[in-house]
Amino acid sequence: AQRVTQPEKLLSVFKGAPVELKCNYSYSGSPELFWYVQYSRQRLQLLLRHISRESIKGFTADLNKGETSFHLKKPFAQEEDSAMYYCALSGSARQLTFGSGTQLTVLP
Amino acid sequence: DGGITQSPKYLFRKEGQNVTLSCEQNLNHDAMYWYRQDPGQGLRLIYYSQIVNDFQKGDIAEGYSVSREKKESFPLTVTSAQKNPTAFYLCASSIWGDSNDYGYTFGSGTRLTVV
Repeated sequence: AQRVTQPEKLLSVFKGAPVELKCNYSYSGSPELFWYVQYSRQRLQLLLRHISRESIKGFTADLNKGETSFHLKKPFAQEEDSAMYYCALSGSARQLTFGSGTQLTVLP
Repeated sequence: DGGITQSPKYLFRKEGQNVTLSCEQNLNHDAMYWYRQDPGQGLRLIYYSQIVNDFQKGDIAEGYSVSREKKESFPLTVTSAQKNPTAFYLCASSIWGDSNDYGYTFGSGTRLTVV
């Protein structure tokens, strides 16, 4: 079975501070991992995927197979980053399993 | 403008009634999915379909039914057997099997309330 854990339901940081949203997964094979974001009154949308090794809106995430983690990081948070963030895993069955989400609030 | 459309945005159901939520996409995506979103629980998969006339149960399929008669459409019926149907329902679609572009496109959701 595949499982995604986001231990923080709520996370608040001040503008300009670094932010890290934690994600741990459980999966016996080789997973594909994603971060999705939902801004207020907007649709859930893909933020980034580990296979692309990309940086989107200043966010990066590195897959650590040893620690089974895929934490999302940004060195300097902005107020517009406030949103709900979901970590998701795709296993052999190719459908996504989502974590419970972390609500990020960036304070002015 | 390609996208995925869910309707209605808000839906009220009396206890004991079945209701059907609509999901239509014009992205030519093969796969479609239904998720239920509850506070503090994230998104849980109800049903998914990889191709027309085929669908699979997800983690919480009990009390729900789907059909996939057309590639563009994947309606979800919430039956009276669903014990706690009040929730936010999200439909999504994706290209099936292409790991280089394996992201979901989500609809704007339907909020179902049992009255």
